[in-house]
Amino acid sequence: DAGVIQSPRHEVTEMGQEVTLRCKPISGHDYLFWYRQTMMRGLELLIYFNNNVPIDDSGMPEDRFSAKMPNASFSTLKIQPSEPRDSAVYFCASSFASKETQYFGPGTRLLVL
Amino acid sequence: GENVEQHPSTLSVQEGDSAVIKCTYSDSASNYFPWYKQELGKRPQLIIDIRSNVGEKKDQRIAVTLNKTAKHFSLHITETQPEDSAVYFCAARDDYKLSFGAGTTVTVRA
Repeated sequence: DAGVIQSPRHEVTEMGQEVTLRCKPISGHDYLFWYRQTMMRGLELLIYFNNNVPIDDSGMPEDRFSAKMPNASFSTLKIQPSEPRDSAVYFCASSFASKETQYFGPGTRLLVL
Repeated sequence: GENVEQHPSTLSVQEGDSAVIKCTYSDSASNYFPWYKQELGKRPQLIIDIRSNVGEKKDQRIAVTLNKTAKHFSLHITETQPEDSAVYFCAARDDYKLSFGAGTTVTVRA
């Protein structure tokens, strides 16, 4: 199994641009989580899906952030427009059922200039 | 919501010594407590976890203890080695959502 796959691994963009981060969960996992990691705020849960349906998006910081999961093997996190304070590492994680271990992807390191 | 506090924020130990990291949580409904290790530039990786019906769990040099009454849990690493140097995160889950501690940077001195 390839594990959770994220792309791109690094993204540098200018303020105001749209950014799309992608995630492919482990096959068979029915929960998908998006986290953001910064030095100041640590690891924060942004949103999670169960069977492709968003369950809790209370961690999404602003309306500039949106996430979708069109099918069981693909999810996107979009930031539009991006701002310098969005610079962080964004992790996707997946699990089989809510009570099981969450496996993290390699992360996307985002820098907004 | 759940609030997880983790101490210390940094820990330096001599190779071969033990390291202990402590976490407290606020929500008595939390029932699952994983520990993740994150090396520089890498993803968090699960190293050990414990569920609320167990008081202690051990895996080779790593052990975790849980005190549900006091709402705290600890990670113990014995016979530390240079490859144990990393950031360690505790977390608590109340049914579906993981809340993470702020992390402990462990440095093992040769």
